[in-house]
Amino acid sequence: EVQLVESGGGSVQPGGSLRLSCAASGFTLSRYWMTWVRQAPGKGLEWLANIKQDGSEKYYLDSLKGRFIISRDNAKNSLYLQMNSLRADDTAVYYCVREFAAASWGQGTLVTVSS
Amino acid sequence: NFMLTQPHSVSESPGKTVTISCTRSSGSIASTFVQWYKQRPGSSPTTVIYEDHQRPSGVPDRFSGSIDSSSNSASLTISGLKTEDEADYYCQSYDSYNWVFGGGTKLTVL
Repeated sequence: EVQLVESGGGSVQPGGSLRLSCAASGFTLSRYWMTWVRQAPGKGLEWLANIKQDGSEKYYLDSLKGRFIISRDNAKNSLYLQMNSLRADDTAVYYCVREFAAASWGQGTLVTVSS
Repeated sequence: NFMLTQPHSVSESPGKTVTISCTRSSGSIASTFVQWYKQRPGSSPTTVIYEDHQRPSGVPDRFSGSIDSSSNSASLTISGLKTEDEADYYCQSYDSYNWVFGGGTKLTVL
């Protein structure tokens, strides 16, 4: 069974940083593109970034302006999202998603940016 | 860049059929696959349709997807509505490697 478990969310002050992790199990991570999507409270889904199987290609939402960095460690079956210079409007549930035909989603981790 | 536009909400009675549209603002709807996700309150999204019309295992055949080039839109049709179908539904497609989501449609089964 495909499982994606996000962690690393929490409360942080504006300007701070967080590193989200996504632990993958039930499949071989190295075979799949992976994606991060977020959802602000009461809002819709927003794609953030994705990364190729070997990490050689990465694509980002333009408006992130280099604040977020996606990475992966296939040996550890893990996907990451480094988030810097956090702002109040980054408050959201962050999901990791396995891209392939029928996408598989994690349960999400909540990030709250507030002073 | 393009946008995907969905109706904000739709409602229908149990047992009936409902169709949710997803209109692409520019470029052909047929040029990249469309996916549909269902999200119930407090839960993460799940895929109900991928590659325009494919159903993942476990998704009942009451769910179907299609695209219409004349209206440049995709549609999700749910027949034999059940109360458990009440949820938010999002369409999604691709702009090169980037994902583009529609704004979501709240389906009420009343």
